[in-house]
Order: sequence, then structure tokens, then C-alpha cells
Amino acid sequence: EVQLVESGGGLVQPGGSLRLSCAASGFTFSSYWMSWVRQAPGKGLEWVANIKQDGSEKYYVDSVKGRFTISRDNAKNSLYLQMNSLRAEDTAVYYCAREERGGYYYYMDVWGKGTTVTVSS
Amino acid sequence: DIQMTQSPSSLSASVGDRVTITCRASQSISSYLNWYQQKPGKAPKLLIYAASSLQSGVPSRFSGSGSGTDFTLTISSLQPEDFATYYCQQSYSTRETFGQGTKLEIK
Repeated sequence: EVQLVESGGGLVQPGGSLRLSCAASGFTFSSYWMSWVRQAPGKGLEWVANIKQDGSEKYYVDSVKGRFTISRDNAKNSLYLQMNSLRAEDTAVYYCAREERGGYYYYMDVWGKGTTVTVSS
Repeated sequence: DIQMTQSPSSLSASVGDRVTITCRASQSISSYLNWYQQKPGKAPKLLIYAASSLQSGVPSRFSGSGSGTDFTLTISSLQPEDFATYYCQQSYSTRETFGQGTKLEIK
């Protein structure tokens, strides 16, 4: 079964750090771009970052650039999001998603259940 | 960044109704437009990719159309399980963006 399982969320103080993980199974992880998408309480979806299969390309939404770092370990079938200098507005459920880019168009076809990050003092 | 604007933001409809949700991009995105369904407390689910291609396993009552800047998601005959929030998303730009969502409620 194709599956993504996020972990690492929790309560952190403003200015603190947290590292999210996403464990992939049931597919060839190293063949796919991967993304992080977040959803603040009661709000819509926001794409956060994505990373190419070999990690050579990474892109970020402007609001997290310089604070968050996306990375992957293909040997461990794992995706990561290192979050530093956290702010209250980073409070959200963070989803890991697989990006299908095998054809001409790109889309997120597999999603994890999410992990909750709360930034509060 | 490319801005995605959905309308309406919310919609009340009845089982059996035909419903259309619109998504407009701030610049041309060709057919790099995807639609997702999200139910409360659940992860989003891909419905339509490349503007009009139905994802495997998604009922045929869902359809998508459009290209360039204007797109629509149509549900031909609403079923009870379709009441949810729908999001469009552009993948034309390396910095992908979502619309603000359309909440579909039972009338």
C-alpha cells in the first residue's frame, strides 16, 4: 500500500525549532518529487516547499524562505522539514505529499494524514 | 507568485444538484491546474489533474474544464459524500499555490 506517515509535530515556543519527518512506503520514493503543504486552523491549504528526486532542486513559499529547510534521505525513504525561528503564524497541520511529475503535468496524488505544529508561549 | 481565486467561497446545494466551482489564475497557467477535495479532519484528496483528467477511482460525476486563466470543477449530481471543501491548485510555477477553497454545504 502506498503510504506517507508524518511525525515530529508538537508544541514549541516562538523562536524555537522543530524537525518534521515523513516516512514513505509502497512506492519507489527516490523517483518522486515531494512536497510539504500546511493548513492553519480553520484556514485553507498552503504549499510550503518541494524537493526534486535527488535533492538538487528545492523551492519554498516566501514566508518560510531562510527559516525552513526541506531535505530527503532516499536510502531511508524519508522526507524532512527543518523549521527554525518559528512564529505563531506557522501553527498548522503539516502534510507530506507525493508529486507526480512523470508526465507533462504535475500534481500531488498521495498525501499523509498530517502532523500538528503549534507555536505558542 | 501566481494567485488563485476561487468562487464562490461557500455554496449551499441539495443532493442531486449540479454544482460548478470556478477558479481563476492571475496569469496563464496552461492546463497546470488540479482540484482537491478535503473533508473535515482529513487530508486532501486529488480529484482532477491537468485541468480535466479524472484521477483514478474518482467518480465520473466529477469533471474539470478550462485552460489559460479560467477553470471550472463541475459535480453533475451531488451525492451526500460530496459535501466538503474544494481547492484548486496551480503547478505551472515552481512555487505552487492553492485557491482559498470553496466550502460546499448541504441546503
